[in-house]
Amino acid sequence: DQQVKQNSPSLSVQEGRISILNCDYTNSMFDYFLWYKKYPAEGPTFLISISSIKDKNEDGRFTVFLNKSAKHLSLHIVPSQPGDSAVYFCAARGNTGKLIFGQGTTLQVKP
Amino acid sequence: ETGVTQTPRHLVMGMTNKKSLKCEQHLGHNAMYWYKQSAKKPLELMFVYSLEERVENNSVPSRFSPECPNSSHLFLHLHTLQPEDSALYLCASSLGRNQPQHFGDGTRLSIL
Repeated sequence: DQQVKQNSPSLSVQEGRISILNCDYTNSMFDYFLWYKKYPAEGPTFLISISSIKDKNEDGRFTVFLNKSAKHLSLHIVPSQPGDSAVYFCAARGNTGKLIFGQGTTLQVKP
Repeated sequence: ETGVTQTPRHLVMGMTNKKSLKCEQHLGHNAMYWYKQSAKKPLELMFVYSLEERVENNSVPSRFSPECPNSSHLFLHLHTLQPEDSALYLCASSLGRNQPQHFGDGTRLSIL
């Protein structure tokens, strides 16, 4: 049973608009959430994270929102750029430090 | 340039072969990880080493054998693999178990 789910396998957005990537989780004990970005033939790169005691964390064009009651987090990219086209993985950390990853969402930003 | 280097990038082997995957990190981290990514599946954690001691083994078959000789190097020794073991194997490291993990570019493994 998957504890971290990214229900949208793909997303297509026009350059300059907002990209919203979603992630749902089932385990209320997760205390830390991360987003990774992956280009083809490269490993995942850490993008942004959020602690469970916060509901928002912002870093430049990237903002992560956490809704603990809904067990939902989202990554907003504004404005989206063609270089943002990649696979985005959300991950949640349990109390042992182990990361549980979602399946990934492929984002395509069209010029 | 990535701080985590994995070699080889691609490996094709028969089921009776023995090979090893290598990972090296230049970030001064003290925890290292092996992940497996099969097609259409999330990354699956295989092994965790913290301060060169294995602290987690997620029910991985014994045909995968990790080795961590020092905090900068991690190996995954492969022996008598099955076709379903074909996947992307990713190494990661972190400064402590609770810090973001930095990944290498992976080894694409194909079992014939």
